[in-house]
Amino acid sequence: DADVTQTPRNRITKTGKRIMLECSQTKGHDRMYWYRQDPGLGLRLIYYSFDVKDINKGEISDGYSVSRQAQAKFSLSLESAIPNQTALYFCATSGSGQASYEQYFGPGTRLTVT
Amino acid sequence: SQKIEQNSEALNIQEGKTATLTCNYTNYSPAYLQWYRQDPGRGPVFLLLIRENEKEKRKERLKVTFDTTLKQSLFHITASQPADSATYLCALESAGNMLTFGGGTRLMVKP
Repeated sequence: DADVTQTPRNRITKTGKRIMLECSQTKGHDRMYWYRQDPGLGLRLIYYSFDVKDINKGEISDGYSVSRQAQAKFSLSLESAIPNQTALYFCATSGSGQASYEQYFGPGTRLTVT
Repeated sequence: SQKIEQNSEALNIQEGKTATLTCNYTNYSPAYLQWYRQDPGRGPVFLLLIRENEKEKRKERLKVTFDTTLKQSLFHITASQPADSATYLCALESAGNMLTFGGGTRLMVKP
């Protein structure tokens, strides 16, 4: 089974709707991240969480909110979706306690806002 | 402002040749630099990490260099294979283990 899972994998929604993207991990990592990817722009950080009680805004948090329900679960919400939030969304995890850790990514959620 | 640049044009090479991808950055002082591979419709996969005090890192057919004076990293794949075709992302790690990603370079290896 995959270490980092995301649901749904694809979603089409209408402008103004609330939508939640979910991420679960079995790696036992403390740190979790949400990114969005747009063609040619690379991955941009939306929110990150270093543990259940530590949630921080990333580069592009406006229009998004998150919830860290447990060490293994980190959800991203779009309170009122707009078309320019159409993108590929990735959840990632990493360890902690050392100087540097690689990040492990989920398979992504392709979100289309019409 | 901080900027990470990877060649947005696809790199096309013949099987068996060495592929060299470039990552340039400005207004950063990264402690670490990471390279990831991304296949279409999938999440990035970690390949290599190099520290600021390391000049070169190798893993099988992969080699990464890191020149903090030039503010550049080079990523090499020797004896390239069609299966190496993918998009390769560089990511700079700054304080707090936060990663900032470049836009990626697509590599196409032709048989």
